[in-house]
Amino acid sequence: GDSVTQMEGPVTLSEEAFLTINCTYTATGYPSLFWYVQYPGEGLQLLLKATKADDKGSNKGFEATYRKETTSFHLEKGSVQVSDSAVYFCALGLRDTGRRALTFGSGTRLQVQP
Amino acid sequence: DSGVTQTPKHLITATGQRVTLRCSPRSGDLSVYWYQQSLDQGLQFLIQYYNGEERAKGNILERFSAQQFPDLHSELNLSSLELGDSALYFCASSVATASLTGELFFGEGSRLTVL
Repeated sequence: GDSVTQMEGPVTLSEEAFLTINCTYTATGYPSLFWYVQYPGEGLQLLLKATKADDKGSNKGFEATYRKETTSFHLEKGSVQVSDSAVYFCALGLRDTGRRALTFGSGTRLQVQP
Repeated sequence: DSGVTQTPKHLITATGQRVTLRCSPRSGDLSVYWYQQSLDQGLQFLIQYYNGEERAKGNILERFSAQQFPDLHSELNLSSLELGDSALYFCASSVATASLTGELFFGEGSRLTVL
């Protein structure tokens, strides 16, 4: 079946450090890929997305590139801030009309220290 | 604020009991999704409704059921509760088919504790 695998957390970084959170996927179709973020006490919210190979999604300084050859969608940010502390979820969605919900990874907790 | 409202925010109950979680989607959204978030299994898709009709089922137990009403709000019913049902239950909504647009709007969740 379709699945998303993320690196285990927590990831602990100092402010202004470089962030990478790895995400790989398995899908029988041709998925769209997403990163969602969950701040403490809140629901998930869409951070960025990419709908085809080599697309780069970006938002709030975060970037991720859809790599079909490696089935990956790694999340990066050049300089993290304390306010980026949250749980990050990688997800895929398929255009197959029989499978309408997004499939999420297990989440990676990011802790940024001042 | 995502515009998705879930009640109750917290619920504590005993094994064997039944509870109902409620979700009001964003104004104009026709699709409602239920997800279960637990520490050991991450975010699991349970079920989706679109404009009152069931559209997709995920890992939803037979003890669980859901429905979407004509005013588009949805309820998730959990019965014969077990300790392992303790989790955060999220409702999300979207205009149409989330997998095509990616934009799911999540509520803040209902935290269920089964003692």
